[in-house]
Amino acid sequence: GDSVTQMEGPVTLSEEAFLTINCTYTATGYPSLFWYVQYPGEGLQLLLKATKADDKGSNKGFEATYRKETTSFHLEKGSVQVSDSAVYFCALSELGNEKLTFGTGTRLTIIP
Amino acid sequence: EPEVTQTPSHQVTQMGQEVILRCVPISNHLYFYWYRQILGQKVEFLVSFYNNEISEKSEIFDDQFSVERPDGSNFTLKIRSTKLEDSAMYFCASSRGLERGSGANVLTFGAGSRLTVL
Repeated sequence: GDSVTQMEGPVTLSEEAFLTINCTYTATGYPSLFWYVQYPGEGLQLLLKATKADDKGSNKGFEATYRKETTSFHLEKGSVQVSDSAVYFCALSELGNEKLTFGTGTRLTIIP
Repeated sequence: EPEVTQTPSHQVTQMGQEVILRCVPISNHLYFYWYRQILGQKVEFLVSFYNNEISEKSEIFDDQFSVERPDGSNFTLKIRSTKLEDSAMYFCASSRGLERGSGANVLTFGAGSRLTVL
């Protein structure tokens, strides 16, 4: 079945550091890929998505590129801020399927 | 911005008791979902609901679980007789359905209801 594996947390970085959170997936079909973010006390929010190979999703300075050859969708940001502290979830859904399959989530803490 | 609201934010209950978790999805969404996350584990799909019936459910969603959309705005998850292992964060989500072109399904989630079973 489908699965998502993401980098174990927690991750602690200093402000303005470069961020990478790794995500790899296993899927039987041709999935859409997502990053969701959960800020403290809030729900899961869609951060970005990509629906086909080589697509780059981007939002709020975050980027992730759909790499079919390595089955990866790593999240990156060039310069993190304290306000980026949150839990980040990588997820996929198969084409035409409603259901999301999530990774375990990575807690990110940015210190000033 | 429209949001999905969930109540209660935290519920503590005794093993064997019935629990109802409530959700108000976004008003023009047609698809509704429940997910859960046991502490330290993955966010897991429980059930999807469309056109007043369950469209898909996971193996977790056994006879102890049920969902209902009683009045056209609320979407509820009932656990008939709670077990210790039901302790988790339960997330409700809704969506418009598959996007034209991409075929992706973008879900909007609530903040979650934390259930603690003692």
